Amino acid sequence: AQTVTQSQPEMSVQEAETVTLSCTYDTSENNYYLFWYKQPPSRQMILVIRQEAYKQQNATENRFSVNFQKAAKSFSLKISDSQLGDTAMYFCAFMGPYSGGGADGLTFGKGTHLIIQP
Amino acid sequence: NAGVMQNPRHLVRRRGQEARLRCSPMKGHSHVYWYRQLPEEGLKFMVYLQKENIIDESGMPKERFSAEFPKEGPSILRIQQVVRGDSAAYFCASSPTSGGPYEQYFGPGTRLTVT
Repeated sequence: AQTVTQSQPEMSVQEAETVTLSCTYDTSENNYYLFWYKQPPSRQMILVIRQEAYKQQNATENRFSVNFQKAAKSFSLKISDSQLGDTAMYFCAFMGPYSGGGADGLTFGKGTHLIIQP
Repeated sequence: NAGVMQNPRHLVRRRGQEARLRCSPMKGHSHVYWYRQLPEEGLKFMVYLQKENIIDESGMPKERFSAEFPKEGPSILRIQQVVRGDSAAYFCASSPTSGGPYEQYFGPGTRLTVT
């Protein structure tokens, strides 16, 4: 079974700073998918970024980028120029190989509560 | 393009009652997933359904919980004889029918409180 570990329960940074959230995972699979989801106080789960394990290039979405280290099984999220609206819980998630019949359930970490201070 | 719809958003049940949670996937999506989020925890996978089929229910408690996704209408997560430990947020997600490993799009969740 896969496990996802987020070792930082809470982080706090000043607005406009850069912050990195860490995530490690354990799997015996070679092909898989990794995600970062954001959960603001509204509790809506919002996809931030996705990474396919077979891609060496790190994914980037505007101010959000990842550092994917496959050998180390590490998948950190970097938020540049942080904004007040980035305040939320951030969850790292793992999905196993795609079987062609649909995606499997996601395995989530326990989350990091990120607070952006004005 | 409406997102994933869940209702009710909040549900209060007394111990021993039944809870029915509904999920309408995004248009064009035929894969539905249910997750449970306990306080201060991440989401835990419960069940994965396609129309009229349960594909993976490995995360579903063996008793009192059931799920369906009929040919017509929303997916239903049913909890019989609720207990206080069932109090949680229940999220539904959907993904497209075919192609690659698409992301799962989440609904706003149903917060179940058992009194």
